[in-house]
Amino acid sequence: NAGVMQNPRHLVRRRGQEARLRCSPMKGHSHVYWYRQLPEEGLKFMVYLQKENIIDESGMPKERFSAEFPKEGPSILRIQQVVRGDSAAYFCASSPTPPGMVSPLHFGNGTRLTVT
Amino acid sequence: TQLLEQSPQFLSIQEGENLTVYCNSSSVFSSLQWYRQEPGEGPVLLVTVVTGGEVKKLKRLTFQFGDARKDSSLHITAAQPGDTGLYLCAGALGETSGSRLTFGEGTQLTVNP
Repeated sequence: NAGVMQNPRHLVRRRGQEARLRCSPMKGHSHVYWYRQLPEEGLKFMVYLQKENIIDESGMPKERFSAEFPKEGPSILRIQQVVRGDSAAYFCASSPTPPGMVSPLHFGNGTRLTVT
Repeated sequence: TQLLEQSPQFLSIQEGENLTVYCNSSSVFSSLQWYRQEPGEGPVLLVTVVTGGEVKKLKRLTFQFGDARKDSSLHITAAQPGDTGLYLCAGALGETSGSRLTFGEGTQLTVNP
């Protein structure tokens, strides 16, 4: 399976806990993007990363949210002290080329976070 | 304010009918992509349009990019139940943000047998 892999598919957290969402990009892709989707809404850009670098985090909330894409291993989106409003589907996408070139995004099947 | 406005938001039709979905903006996009998303899955790319006035066909789907590169449409001929899904348009604003896309809120299409 050469697609974008996200895990877990479903994650339930109580208010105040931490959520860690993982994303392994397609083989050969070094550009990773995280999007958030609320029910009946489109996808909202959160962050764009390359290996070991955050390139654009303009869509990330200033507090409690962080993302990384280490040299080895998957990209991680971390949400600390979750609140009910964080409940959403979080999608990771990868592409083979950097900005400046038209390249499609390959999406994973998402992690559905539910905060109780 | 939504940068990309899609209409209609919901569309329910009978099998065999034709339909058009619209994606409009006041901004100029360097490229525009259409995705289809099914429940529980991630969006899947259908097409990318780059040139103003460009028309692309994918079987029963016809995509058009407006001359001014501010709008796009998706036309489906003889819709089938398998076409049911959320259709999303996504635009890239500039050459330096080619891979950072801004998504519309989607059109939820239901095709009834």
